[in-house]
Amino acid sequence: AQKITQTQPGMFVQEKEAVTLDCTYDTSDQSYGLFWYKQPSSGEMIFLIYQGSYDEQNATEGRYSLNFQKARKSANLVISASQLGDSAMYFCAMREDTGRRALTFGSGTRLQVQP
Amino acid sequence: EAQVTQNPRYLITVTGKKLTVTCSQNMNHEYMSWYRQDPGLGLRQIYYSMNVEVTDKGDVPEGYKVSRKEKRNFPLILESPSPNQTSLYFCASSLLAGGGKNIQYFGAGTRLSVL
Repeated sequence: AQKITQTQPGMFVQEKEAVTLDCTYDTSDQSYGLFWYKQPSSGEMIFLIYQGSYDEQNATEGRYSLNFQKARKSANLVISASQLGDSAMYFCAMREDTGRRALTFGSGTRLQVQP
Repeated sequence: EAQVTQNPRYLITVTGKKLTVTCSQNMNHEYMSWYRQDPGLGLRQIYYSMNVEVTDKGDVPEGYKVSRKEKRNFPLILESPSPNQTSLYFCASSLLAGGGKNIQYFGAGTRLSVL
């Protein structure tokens, strides 16, 4: 069974600073995908970034980068130059590449960006 | 605009009154899925579909039905809703073919309250 652990229930960051949100995972699969989603207070689930288990380079999408350390089974999200609009819940998720393709989500980290 | 559309966004109903939450995607995705999000329990998969007329149970299917008669639509049916089905529901869709990076895109969510 897959499991995602996010150990930071809440984080504060100053505007324009960088912040790292932690995520560790557990799986016996060799092929899997790791995702980060953002959930603002309005409730929708917004895709941010993806990392495949066989990708050798860390993924980047604009101000988001994923620090993937396969041996340590970690997939931390780094947000550079935080903006007030980044205040939201952030979920790390894993998806099996076979079978029912379900996303397994962590418990989330609430990020608050302070001016 | 590529999107997953859920309706309604908000719904208050009473125990036992059948309801349907609609989900439609315009991205020609084969894979569609329903999740529910509950405080302390995170997001859990209810049902999923790999293609037209192909559906299967997720982690928490009891009390729900789905159908996939057309590729774009994947309605969630609660035949006899109960208060423990009060939750935030998400529909998601993705491609299946083409390798691992098949991102699941989410609808805006449906907040359901069963009294």
